Amino acid sequence: DQQVKQNSPSLSVQEGRISILNCDYTNSMFDYFLWYKKYPAEGPTFLISISSIKDKNEDGRFTVFLNKSAKHLSLHIVPSQPGDSAVYFCAASMGEYGNKLVFGAGTILRVKS
Amino acid sequence: NAGVTQTPKFQVLKTGQSMTLQCAQDMNHEYMSWYRQDPGMGLRLIHYSVGAGITDQGEVPNGYNVSRSTTEDFPLRLLSAAPSQTSVYFCASRLLEEGSGELFFGEGSRLTVL
Repeated sequence: DQQVKQNSPSLSVQEGRISILNCDYTNSMFDYFLWYKKYPAEGPTFLISISSIKDKNEDGRFTVFLNKSAKHLSLHIVPSQPGDSAVYFCAASMGEYGNKLVFGAGTILRVKS
Repeated sequence: NAGVTQTPKFQVLKTGQSMTLQCAQDMNHEYMSWYRQDPGMGLRLIHYSVGAGITDQGEVPNGYNVSRSTTEDFPLRLLSAAPSQTSVYFCASRLLEEGSGELFFGEGSRLTVL
């Protein structure tokens, strides 16, 4: 039973346009949500996070939106760049100090120049 | 500052063999964890530790053992490898504090069990 779901295995976007990656979750006990980016043959790297008490967090070209009533979050990348091409994982944490981090299956983003 | 270092990067085992994946971090992080990544499954938590001498199970602990004798090291042991353990393994660490749980990952260890 996947608690964090990324239903789009892949997404293709033109350079300069907006990329929107989506994520749904089932457990209302999650208190933080994070996005990680992963290039081939490398470990994932942290991108941006949002607390469950907020509905938006921005960091440069990256914005994460959280809709708690719909149990849905999204990552917006504007403008998209070819270097953004990677696998993006949505993750959610719960437990004391966020000890258990649950990941989605990932979405492959391809940004075409 | 090396961050999180995993060895080996690649390993091929036969069914029933044992091995240890090594993980070391030099950031003085209290929290360390092991994940496995499989196609279509994302990353799944195997075991984690919040400090020396303290370990706990994640989502998929069966077939794996861990120990934490120092802050720096968190080895993952496969006592009797099975083909279902063919995967890419990631070690990750962070400071133990309330908050977003941002993890720092190693580069991964690709394990094939024949």
